[in-house]
Amino acid sequence: QQQVKQSPQSLIVQKGGISIINCAYENTAFDYFPWYQQFPGKGPALLIAIRPDVSEKKEGRFTISFNKSAKQFSLHIMDSQPGDSATYFCAARGSGSARQLTFGSGTQLTVLP
Amino acid sequence: DGGITQSPKYLFRKEGQNVTLSCEQNLNHDAMYWYRQDPGQGLRLIYYSQIVNDFQKGDIAEGYSVSREKKESFPLTVTSAQKNPTAFYLCASILSGTSNQPQHFGDGTRLSIL
Repeated sequence: QQQVKQSPQSLIVQKGGISIINCAYENTAFDYFPWYQQFPGKGPALLIAIRPDVSEKKEGRFTISFNKSAKQFSLHIMDSQPGDSATYFCAARGSGSARQLTFGSGTQLTVLP
Repeated sequence: DGGITQSPKYLFRKEGQNVTLSCEQNLNHDAMYWYRQDPGQGLRLIYYSQIVNDFQKGDIAEGYSVSREKKESFPLTVTSAQKNPTAFYLCASILSGTSNQPQHFGDGTRLSIL
């Protein structure tokens, strides 16, 4: 059972545009929601993360919006650049001692020059 | 610089063969994880270990085995029982007992069938 649903599967944006990726979760016990960026042939790297007691977090051009009541969160990339072209994964961490991450299925972002 | 080293980068397996993927970290992290990544899918947890000499099955452990004899090392063996082993395998680690800390990932091993 997929506990974190991510959309869209792929996204094409013009340079300077806004990229928006959405995720929804089911388990209310999740307590930490990171976004990872992955380039081909590399491991995922943490981009930005949020806790459920915060509705928005911004770091540079990247913003997470979090809606606890709807159990949804999204990543906004402002002024998208060709170098942002990568696969983005949302994730949610359980509150148990194992600190396991459950990942969304990924979004392949292409930013056209 | 501290980090996670996975080797080899590419690996080929013959029918009926067991292969072992290496994962070494010098971050002094307690917990280590193995994930499998298939095209169009998110990362799926194979095994994880929170302390030396202890490990637990993840969501897709069948056909895989692990060991954790040293804090720095968490090798994954893909056995002949895993009928569809072609995938990108990622190792990760985290410092236990910390909140708001991300899992750090290695750069993966791509396993293919000959």
